[in-house]
Amino acid sequence: EAQVTQNPRYLITVTGKKLTVTCSQNMNHEYMSWYRQDPGLGLRQIYYSMNVEVTDKGDVPEGYKVSRKEKRNFPLILESPSPNQTSLYFCASSSWEGGNEQFFGPGTRLTVL
Amino acid sequence: DAKTTQPNSMESNEEEPVHLPCNHSTISGTDYIHWYRQLPSQGPEYVIHGLTSNVNNRMASLAIAEDRKSSTLILHRATLRDAAVYYCILDGNTDKLIFGTGTRLQVFP
Repeated sequence: EAQVTQNPRYLITVTGKKLTVTCSQNMNHEYMSWYRQDPGLGLRQIYYSMNVEVTDKGDVPEGYKVSRKEKRNFPLILESPSPNQTSLYFCASSSWEGGNEQFFGPGTRLTVL
Repeated sequence: DAKTTQPNSMESNEEEPVHLPCNHSTISGTDYIHWYRQLPSQGPEYVIHGLTSNVNNRMASLAIAEDRKSSTLILHRATLRDAAVYYCILDGNTDKLIFGTGTRLQVFP
């Protein structure tokens, strides 16, 4: 089954404790991205990657890092999480052709205390 | 980036057709019109997309105005499972989707 998986689905952590949210897709997609969703603000793009070893900032990249060492994986790293990063995070992937469908993961709900 | 305007909410009864409007008066010639929906507690889900011509798939139909400044997502027979937030998004060939706040569709039995 074609899918995007994220782990963990739920995470409660404390300020400053480094964490990684993993994202994996099994569709051989070139393009992957991370979004955060906050009430009243919709989904905002954090980082995206057009292919292996190619990443770029989205609209709200501060406080986040990403890497794309393999085509299928695109982890989101919070080196020193802060309470304002409490949010619902979604990973998405698509093949690199304009107008194509993006597949979204189920989401990771992160709470930073 | 070109923006879209949608009503905040709409209501429908089960098994009735639903027409969800979207205005995008600043659309450029290469912008695709995408529709996604987000069911409660889930990630966004692709519904349909088009460029100029009307499009049909198993989930919905997309009617695009001749001047492309507006479009309408048509659910032919709403079900309770169609209750979701529907997002109309313009994609300028970059795969960067800019989500607004969408239209919250309520479906009543």
